[in-house]
Amino acid sequence: DAKTTQPPSMDCAEGRAANLPCNHSTISGNEYVYWYRQIHSQGPQYIIHGLKNNETNEMASLIITEDRKSSTLILPHATLRDTAVYYCIVRVENTGNQFYFGTGTSLTVIP
Amino acid sequence: DGGITQSPKYLFRKEGQNVTLSCEQNLNHDAMYWYRQDPGQGLRLIYYSQIVNDFQKGDIAEGYSVSREKKESFPLTVTSAQKNPTAFYLCASSKARQGPWETQYFGPGTRLLVL
Repeated sequence: DAKTTQPPSMDCAEGRAANLPCNHSTISGNEYVYWYRQIHSQGPQYIIHGLKNNETNEMASLIITEDRKSSTLILPHATLRDTAVYYCIVRVENTGNQFYFGTGTSLTVIP
Repeated sequence: DGGITQSPKYLFRKEGQNVTLSCEQNLNHDAMYWYRQDPGQGLRLIYYSQIVNDFQKGDIAEGYSVSREKKESFPLTVTSAQKNPTAFYLCASSKARQGPWETQYFGPGTRLLVL
């Protein structure tokens, strides 16, 4: 399975872009990268996912390197409500859509 | 208003007691999942079900049991064999039985505490 490595914590000033990195050097060619976030004591919330190309939606942008060994989630204008734990996930193939959740990055947005 | 509901929000278990956590979804999703989260940790998969009347063990199934009699429901029973049940339990569902693109959507969670 392709596991992920993320920094345990990061700070970001309110209104600035938050760039959250993730390494997934053993990812297989057809495995997607997903990002979720979890606000304390709530269920994880889906943010975005991608395979090879960069993706953007109303919440964030996902930049995947050409070799697919790493990716970056970008929150363009961080707000205090973006304070959460962010999980970078690679789906484990042939296991019924099982997701492997690591310990994530705890992002704190500072006023 | 579609979504995933879990009940109760908090649950207390006495020694030697079995307890059942409820998970219901009205998203018409085929697959459902149960995860356990311990403080400061990521999620670990307990059981998952890709279709009614079928389910598979995840990484930490010992001490837990599930059933999938209806598409909408996937209850989790924490048995007395689970010696360290205190945790935050999360239920999720996704659209298709297989496919790397299928996003999982999570319920609000149930926090289980042992008295």
